[in-house]
Amino acid sequence: GAGVSQSPRYKVAKRGQDVALRCDPISGHVSLFWYQQALGQGPEFLTYFQNEAQLDKSGLPSDRFFAERPEGSVSTLKIQRTQQEDSAVYLCASSLFQGSYGYTFGSGTRLTVV
Amino acid sequence: GQQLNQSPQSMFIQEGEDVSMNCTSSSIFNTWLWYKQDPGEGPVLLIALYKAGELTSNGRLTAQFGITRKDSFLNISASIPSDVGIYFCAGQMTGTASKLTFGTGTRLQVTL
Repeated sequence: GAGVSQSPRYKVAKRGQDVALRCDPISGHVSLFWYQQALGQGPEFLTYFQNEAQLDKSGLPSDRFFAERPEGSVSTLKIQRTQQEDSAVYLCASSLFQGSYGYTFGSGTRLTVV
Repeated sequence: GQQLNQSPQSMFIQEGEDVSMNCTSSSIFNTWLWYKQDPGEGPVLLIALYKAGELTSNGRLTAQFGITRKDSFLNISASIPSDVGIYFCAGQMTGTASKLTFGTGTRLQVTL
């Protein structure tokens, strides 16, 4: 597609519920990133894929967070047993090749845990 | 996680005025970037800086990579209403591929 597409745009989850957030990167983009943006803050790195390989997951805040990109295209960020502190905007970004700073960000998924 | 310090946190200016904002870090970065984020959207890259001391322009925007590699500033000349938004700096450390550390943001509001 023309841009990075994320779905859903908004998600309300009850505490303890599992959620799955989807990212469709720009076609052909090798690198894919997930960032978490809390209200009033800058984005914080969560994890990075090059094709289907997850090369860096150092930013995932706990083992409740899991990301995958099985075919090197679409990626899913899963959060198990959601907590209120998980409420944030989750941004996905893709770039054509490793080391490129020409990230294109999606519009994000706003997750609210109640 | 670590966030870079940006100042000012917010600013109100009149259309036509010049704007200056900066970003500081306790760590050295080998690349600095500036992004703009509109409400409900993801950040959009404005300027990238790759070398200490580098001064780069993109239209009305000018940014500099500090000599110490621990700071950067962004200037916007002759501001217009569409400059409204949140501006973020971001840095990349050596050996961390394309992972970026973002600043806390500067919210810019422009009045007519």
